Amino acid sequence: RKEVEQDPGPFNVPEGATVAFNCTYSNSASQSFFWYRQDCRKEPKLLMSVYSSGNEDGRFTAQLNRASQYISLLIRDSKLSDSATYLCVPARRSGGSNYKLTFGKGTLLTVNP
Amino acid sequence: NAGVMQNPRHLVRRRGQEARLRCSPMKGHSHVYWYRQLPEEGLKFMVYLQKENIIDESGMPKERFSAEFPKEGPSILRIQQVVRGDSAAYFCASSPSGGANTGELFFGEGSRLTVL
Repeated sequence: RKEVEQDPGPFNVPEGATVAFNCTYSNSASQSFFWYRQDCRKEPKLLMSVYSSGNEDGRFTAQLNRASQYISLLIRDSKLSDSATYLCVPARRSGGSNYKLTFGKGTLLTVNP
Repeated sequence: NAGVMQNPRHLVRRRGQEARLRCSPMKGHSHVYWYRQLPEEGLKFMVYLQKENIIDESGMPKERFSAEFPKEGPSILRIQQVVRGDSAAYFCASSPSGGANTGELFFGEGSRLTVL
């Protein structure tokens, strides 16, 4: 089983649509969770951290279910600029202050006019 | 306020040559990570370093690849005798140490290696 599994995508949605991405992780030692976005041929950038109680940042809502080892990202009222690959990233401590992040393969989202 | 700086941004090498990729972390960051991204693939962890120490190199190929982060200067990822399969984007990331480290990584723009 892969450490991180994401919806294969690609997702093609019209502007204004709501889209949800799912992710499962296999390492129960994971302690921190993130969603990154990566634009085509660019570096990954942090979109948001994911907290146990769930959290919202504008149009973006992240949920975490530790029992099921499941993470989700919801994007409401999608914009053209949301087109990117979304990476699910669980992290675990690996000695001292080191975090070891494991990146999912990502789900490609294209928002169409 | 410079972010993570990587150079060169693009590098072309012929099979058998050496490739050296450099990374300067963000100011105040003491942890450096190298990731490789093959075309149409996800990021794969290679190595984690602190100044003068390799902390975790579990993702590094056993041969031809090495990394260092000297006391002075940038971190360097070195690939000897490159082969076509080494063609990829190599991303460097940094993070602060201690309590300031939340697990978030700050990435450079990457170095794209093409092996002819």
